[in-house]
Amino acid sequence: GESVGLHLPTLSVQEGDNSIINCAYSNSASDYFIWYKQESGKGPQFIIDIRSNMDKRQGQRVTVLLNKTVKHLSLQIAATQPGDSAVYFCAENKDGGTSYGKLTFGQGTILTVHP
Amino acid sequence: NAGVTQTPKFRILKIGQSMTLQCTQDMNHNYMYWYRQDPGMGLKLIYYSVGAGITDKGEVPNGYNVSRSTTEDFPLRLELAAPSQTSVYFCASSPPAHGHGYTFGSGTRLTVV
Repeated sequence: GESVGLHLPTLSVQEGDNSIINCAYSNSASDYFIWYKQESGKGPQFIIDIRSNMDKRQGQRVTVLLNKTVKHLSLQIAATQPGDSAVYFCAENKDGGTSYGKLTFGQGTILTVHP
Repeated sequence: NAGVTQTPKFRILKIGQSMTLQCTQDMNHNYMYWYRQDPGMGLKLIYYSVGAGITDKGEVPNGYNVSRSTTEDFPLRLELAAPSQTSVYFCASSPPAHGHGYTFGSGTRLTVV
């Protein structure tokens, strides 16, 4: 079936570096994408989202890029801090209709930030 | 605001036992969801609800039941627990429009032995 997946299961960076976490999706009908951060023992925490009519969206220290041509999503974290260490998931949804809310999650990338 | 509250946080069940995982939200969100997360994996949707009295199956509904009698509460029922249901269960809620994210609870870690 269609799914959302990640290229790299783990990513290690030094504090202060920029991090890039990638995600590939296969459902061309998806039009809404979310990045979540999950710390150990906690539920996923919303980071940033983007609709398919956008290529880029920025938040505080985070940027999401969407390339619909190759069905690729990335999360960029600027000046990565030890507190950013967590598992990062991308999720996708087809906006509206009966598909609303049925998020499809990727496997996750473990980000480790070394001081 | 408490957000999404799940109870219990941990539970061990014997095969064949049943239990209800509780979920309540105080944000007046129409939509609520139950996901399960297996080790090293992403979340998979079990059931969801678009409002009181309305529920629908997600990707992995077998072995579970839900009800939505109020906007606030969305309990998940496990009947005849099986080892394959060992997982971490997350409840979430959202308003009926994208752009607000989904608010997740802190999870219930269930072990079936």
